[in-house]
Amino acid sequence: GENVEQHPSTLSVQEGDSAVIKCTYSDSASNYFPWYKQELGKRPQLIIDIRSNVGEKKDQRIAVTLNKTAKHFSLHITETQPEDSAVYFCAASVGANSKLTFGKGITLSVRP
Amino acid sequence: DTGVSQNPRHKITKRGQNVTFRCDPISEHNRLYWYRQTLGQGPEFLTYFQNEAQLEKSRLLSDRFSAERPKGSFSTLEIQRTEQGDSAMYLCASSSLAVQETQYFGPGTRLLVL
Repeated sequence: GENVEQHPSTLSVQEGDSAVIKCTYSDSASNYFPWYKQELGKRPQLIIDIRSNVGEKKDQRIAVTLNKTAKHFSLHITETQPEDSAVYFCAASVGANSKLTFGKGITLSVRP
Repeated sequence: DTGVSQNPRHKITKRGQNVTFRCDPISEHNRLYWYRQTLGQGPEFLTYFQNEAQLEKSRLLSDRFSAERPKGSFSTLEIQRTEQGDSAMYLCASSSLAVQETQYFGPGTRLLVL
């Protein structure tokens, strides 16, 4: 089955700096890669997703890149703000409506 | 509120008791998923439904776990003879096949087995 690995496990950045979170996946059939943000005690919330027919997608300060050959995808957050502090999960699936396999999550801390 | 809802939000039970959780998906979402999340981990897939049909169950899902979606709307997840290892957050998500949207999660039910 699919295996998604996420690294590093924690990341601390200064407010205003950029943050990059990387994930790798194992199943070449996976073609859908969402990123979720989870604040303490709250539900995971989708922040951006990418399908395998594109290499990059941007939404304001957030972007995701996908390298299908290397089987890795990354989340880029620019101009970080304290409210970006949370746990970020990457996931992979075959199709957007199939079961998601999640990474273990990374705790992002943005220092004011 | 048009999002995914779950009840109860918290459940404390004694080992050996049965518990049942409910999930109400976003209206007209035909796929409904159950995940389990333990501290410091990502959500782990348990099972999912398309309308009332249960399409897949995780191999990790014990026989003590059963899920239903009888009318293709809300779903229930029952755990029989609970064990301390069942303590976790149980998350429900839903999605729409028609628009190929991603999964939207509910707030979860936090289970503590004493």
